[in-house]
Amino acid sequence: AQSVTQPDIHITVSEGASLELRCNYSYGATPYLFWYVQSPGQGLQLLLKYFSGDTLVQGIKGFEAEFKRSQSSFNLRKPSVHWSDAAEYFCAVGYGSARQLTFGSGTQLTVLP
Amino acid sequence: NAGVTQTPKFQVLKTGQSMTLQCAQDMNHNSMYWYRQDPGMGLRLIYYSASEGTTDKGEVPNGYNVSRLNKREFSLRLESAAPSQTSVYFCASRQGSLSTEAFFGQGTRLTVV
Repeated sequence: AQSVTQPDIHITVSEGASLELRCNYSYGATPYLFWYVQSPGQGLQLLLKYFSGDTLVQGIKGFEAEFKRSQSSFNLRKPSVHWSDAAEYFCAVGYGSARQLTFGSGTQLTVLP
Repeated sequence: NAGVTQTPKFQVLKTGQSMTLQCAQDMNHNSMYWYRQDPGMGLRLIYYSASEGTTDKGEVPNGYNVSRLNKREFSLRLESAAPSQTSVYFCASRQGSLSTEAFFGQGTRLTVV
């Protein structure tokens, strides 16, 4: 069965610092990979997605993620974090044979002024 | 453009009571989903509907029933609420395959006492 691991439950960074959120997935086939962001009291918003092609994908709000097949990872990065980036971030994986996504447990990001 | 609308936003139930969570989307999407979100567990799929007239169980279907009333609406019913069903419930929809973006509602916060 497909699964997703987000090893960091909570990350704190200072505003302006760089950010990397980790995501590892299991399964053998080439997955569809997603990062979603959830602001307090809100639903989830798609940041970026990867299906094939260039392994470095750009998303909204200045985020990017890199697919590394050899490490089964899809880490999310941002060069300079803004206070408005404080939120919970979810990695999700899906496969062509499945009809739904599997979500990780989420990483809560706190941004210090 | 409302997107995905969930009602109610908040609900408190007593153990054993029943209720229906409503979800409607105005994007003409084929697929609709119900997830529950619990701390440290991410989003877990309860039921989904790949198209009007079809429904399938997800990861955690026990204690729930669903109805795909028409293409727009997908309701989730708790027949006899239990404290273990205290959670935040999200409805989502997408058009077509996993490669397309899923749009989420703002959630229903349910407490069962």
